[in-house]
Formats: sequence, structure tokens, C-alpha cells
Amino acid sequence: KNQVEQSPQSLIILEGKNCTLQCNYTVSPFSNLRWYKQDTGRGPVSLTIMTFSENTKSNGRYTATLDADTKQSSLHITASQLSDSASYICVVSDRGSTLGRLYFGRGTQLTVWP
Amino acid sequence: EADIYQTPRYLVIGTGKKITLECSQTMGHDKMYWYQQDPGMELHLIHYSYGVNSTEKGDLSSESTVSRIRTEHFPLTLESARPSHTSQYLCASSESPSGTSYNEQFFGPGTRLTVL
Repeated sequence: KNQVEQSPQSLIILEGKNCTLQCNYTVSPFSNLRWYKQDTGRGPVSLTIMTFSENTKSNGRYTATLDADTKQSSLHITASQLSDSASYICVVSDRGSTLGRLYFGRGTQLTVWP
Repeated sequence: EADIYQTPRYLVIGTGKKITLECSQTMGHDKMYWYQQDPGMELHLIHYSYGVNSTEKGDLSSESTVSRIRTEHFPLTLESARPSHTSQYLCASSESPSGTSYNEQFFGPGTRLTVL
């Protein structure tokens, strides 16, 4: 069964601190992995995308890593800001369908305190 | 930010009412999707469309229906709303063919539906 598991479920950090979010998946055949940021009451917005051959990708203060062998990914946020408070969703796409089916994790709810 | 729009953003209605959630995109994308999301839970695909006059049911069973008469428009209809339909509904679109854009889906802001 294709699944995406994220940890922790929620996280509280102080402004300026770093944090790392985890994602494990069992989706096969694997196409790509994305991290999305979803602000409360909004739709998800893509932060990074990685294909099978990529093991790291950065977008400003966000750095994602991918280990396709162990089927694990992480999202590292550097020097957190209050605006980073959101849900971060790991999304894996398979290669097995023309639809390009996406498998969503439940997200990690990050709260950044001043 | 992607050019995909949903209206209304919030809707509170009584049981038994018929409702239509609107979704429009100006990117010319062929594929469109409807997801249902409850708080703290993952997105569940309830409907999708490959293009005009194409609609398919997704992974999560839903009493809603959809139509795709125009490329840019993908409305979702509930003939008789019930409290169990209370949820957030997200519309998304992506371009075809799959693989060229790594299936990136662009999401609308969502409609928060509450059925009393």
C-alpha cells in the first residue's frame, strides 16, 4: 500500500531556531517528492521538488533531502521566522499512472513563537 | 502564486440544501482535481478530470458530483448537503502530459464548508 508518514505531528520552536521535519514513504514506483507549505485556511504551495536522482534541494531557508534507497526525506528550516508557522506536507508522486497520482502525508504543524 | 480560484471561501448552510463550489484556473491546464481535507488529516482525492467532458471518481467515496464543460472551470455540486459533508474542499490543476512538469499541482485557496 502506498503511504506517506510524517513526523513529528506538531512542533513548536522559537523564532530564529532551526528545525527538521521527517517524511517516510512506501510509494512505488517513485517519481518525485515534494514538500508543500500550507498556511491555515489556504491551499498548499510547493516549496521543493526532488526526483530520484536528486538528494538535496534548497529554496531560501528551506533545504530538502532525499534518500531514495531508504525512502526517507527531510525538510530543514534555517533561522525560522514567525511566517514559517504552517503545516508542512510531504507529497510523493508515482510513475505508474497517467494521472500522476499524488500521495499526501498528514503534515507537520509547525508553530514559531517570538 | 498560481492562478486558480475558488468561491466561496467559506460557506455555512443548512442540511438538505443544494450547493455548488466553484473552481476556475487561468493556466490552461488540462487536469483538474478536487480534494477533501479534514483538520490534521491528509488530502483525499474525491474527483479528477483529464480534460473537457472527462470526469472520474477519486480514492475517497463522495456523494458530490463534478462537471467539466470548459477547460478552465471544474465545479463541484452537492445535491443535498449533510453535516457529514462539513470539511475543507481544495481544487487543484496541473498541466499535461504528466512527467514534463513532474505532476506539479497548483492549489486554490479552498472552500471551508459547514453544514448545520
